[in-house]
Amino acid sequence: DAKTTQPNSMESNEEEPVHLPCNHSTISGTDYIHWYRQLPSQGPEYVIHGLTSNVNNRMASLAIAEDRKSSTLILHRATLRDAAVYYCILLDGNTGKLIFGQGTTLQVKP
Amino acid sequence: ETGVTQTPRHLVMGMTNKKSLKCEQHLGHNAMYWYKQSAKKPLELMFVYNFKEQTENNSVPSRFSPECPNSSHLFLHLHTLQPEDSALYLCASSQTQGQNYGYTFGSGTRLTVV
Repeated sequence: DAKTTQPNSMESNEEEPVHLPCNHSTISGTDYIHWYRQLPSQGPEYVIHGLTSNVNNRMASLAIAEDRKSSTLILHRATLRDAAVYYCILLDGNTGKLIFGQGTTLQVKP
Repeated sequence: ETGVTQTPRHLVMGMTNKKSLKCEQHLGHNAMYWYKQSAKKPLELMFVYNFKEQTENNSVPSRFSPECPNSSHLFLHLHTLQPEDSALYLCASSQTQGQNYGYTFGSGTRLTVV
């Protein structure tokens, strides 16, 4: 399974943008880049995913490097409710397995 | 409410007990998954079912026995567990396995083995 590398933790101020980085240098052509987040005492929640092009949805934006070896999840205006563990995961389009790493714990300060 | 419902939310059981965890989804998904999340550790994929057939067993001890009677329901039968099996057990579903679909997770069952 392809691996991702994320910082253990990050801090942000409320109402400011947050850029969460992820490195995936061993990504293969069939791997999709998925982001999930897990709030305290809840199961993970799907945030966004992409293959090659940048993606936007109501929750966030995903910027993917041209060589696909890294990506960045962008929260445009962080709120206190965005404090969570954010997971960057490569999903193999053939096996469909979602394998979690340690993720990045995001703290949002008021 | 995510669309994936897990019951019970909390469970305390003795090492000699037999209990079952239940997962239910009415999202029209055909793949269902069991994950285990222990304290300070990443989620571990345990079992995968696709169209009611088990397609993955990640070397899970036999004291955990999954059952998938139809695409909407998934069970995890537990017997003679150990204290180290205490964890959050999460169920998830997706449109199907092997495709680029997002997963929908339930809120989990917090299991304590005493």
